[in-house]
Amino acid sequence: QVQLQESGPGLVKPSDTLSLTCAVSGYSISISNWWGWIRQPPGKGLEWIGYINYSGNTYYNPSLKSRVTMSVDTSKNQFFLNLSSVTAVDTGVYYCARTHCSSIRCYIDYWGQGTLVTVSS
Amino acid sequence: QSALTQPPSVSGSLGQSVTISCTGTSSDVGGYNRVSWYQQSPGTAPQLIIYDVSNRPSGVPDRFSGSKSGNTASLTISGLQADDEADYYCYSCTNTNTLLFGGGTKLTVL
Repeated sequence: QVQLQESGPGLVKPSDTLSLTCAVSGYSISISNWWGWIRQPPGKGLEWIGYINYSGNTYYNPSLKSRVTMSVDTSKNQFFLNLSSVTAVDTGVYYCARTHCSSIRCYIDYWGQGTLVTVSS
Repeated sequence: QSALTQPPSVSGSLGQSVTISCTGTSSDVGGYNRVSWYQQSPGTAPQLIIYDVSNRPSGVPDRFSGSKSGNTASLTISGLQADDEADYYCYSCTNTNTLLFGGGTKLTVL
């Protein structure tokens, strides 16, 4: 059974960098697929942040691209999110997820449970 | 890129059917069959219910069905049950390999 687990600070100061880790178990991230991050502000909808594959190729949401960096560590079966210069609008639940994305299909089949990140001084 | 357009809310009575629309452009929903739908109950992660426009993952009841016409995809839930009450999101890949969610639709079962 594929499982994903987010971890990282629950509180980040304004202008700092938000850093999260997603640990994957039950599946090797080196096999295939894309590994993504999605966030959800309190009481609002889902927003795609970006995704990365095992080779380190990335696609980011254009609205966040200037502040987002994703990376992967296949030896630890983990991938990472860095979001710089955060403000209060970056507060929300952050999910990591496994994404199937190709020329003929695109969907998320496994999600982490989500981690709440609050941006506040 | 703008979010896909969904109605903020829909409602239906127990046993009836409801349809939730998801409108995009020819660069996303209309250009490919790469549309999926997710159900999210409060405090939980979203769950995949439809992928590739109309396919159901194993374990998802056939009361859930998907379709697409032009730039609009649709999710239909028939035989409404109380535990169908949740938020529903559509999701599509774009022609630049970025991904888009719809704004979400809150389903109320009367």
